[in-house]
Amino acid sequence: GENVEQHPSTLSVQEGDSAVIKCTYSDSASNYFPWYKQELGKGPQLIIDIRSNVGEKKDQRIAVTLNKTAKHFSLHITETQPEDSAVYFCAARLGGYSSASKIIFGSGTRLSIRP
Amino acid sequence: NAGVTQTPKFQVLKTGQSMTLQCAQDMNHEYMSWYRQDPGMGLRLIHYSVGAGITDQGEVPNGYNVSRSTTEDFPLRLLSAAPSQTSVYFCASSLSRTGGNTEAFFGQGTRLTVV
Repeated sequence: GENVEQHPSTLSVQEGDSAVIKCTYSDSASNYFPWYKQELGKGPQLIIDIRSNVGEKKDQRIAVTLNKTAKHFSLHITETQPEDSAVYFCAARLGGYSSASKIIFGSGTRLSIRP
Repeated sequence: NAGVTQTPKFQVLKTGQSMTLQCAQDMNHEYMSWYRQDPGMGLRLIHYSVGAGITDQGEVPNGYNVSRSTTEDFPLRLLSAAPSQTSVYFCASSLSRTGGNTEAFFGQGTRLTVV
């Protein structure tokens, strides 16, 4: 069935280093790929997204890349800071842009930034 | 502008009890949805609505009812609570599903425990 696999489940990096989280999806019809950040006790926050007609998107220290052939997309965080510590979720939207299209979430990556 | 507001934040129910989780948004968003979040399983869609008077089932709808009488409110009802419904529940909204912008705003969550 349709699924989104996310790796790693936990990631610890030194402050100032880069972090990379990877996701793969199963449905080649997927066309929209958002990333969310969830801090402890809060709801997910949309931080960046990418559509299937774009290969890369950047927003300050975060970037997302998409490889449609490999059905793979990644979140890159550069110059990590303590406030980047959170759980990150990837997601993939299936079935086009209809109101009934499904969003499938990955299982999350707990990112810890070491001082 | 409060965004997406969920109440209550915490709730303990006994098996068999009923309750309603409230969700309201003040952004005039057409699309609203309910998710549950369980450890290691990401977010799973329960029900969604593309506008007032229109609701549909998501991935895990059993045991839950919804209604959408106004654009602002989208309550989730548990008719007879079961321990398997112990989870954290999130409400989300977007201006429109068809535009590709999906689940753009999440509420703070309701942590429900059924004993």
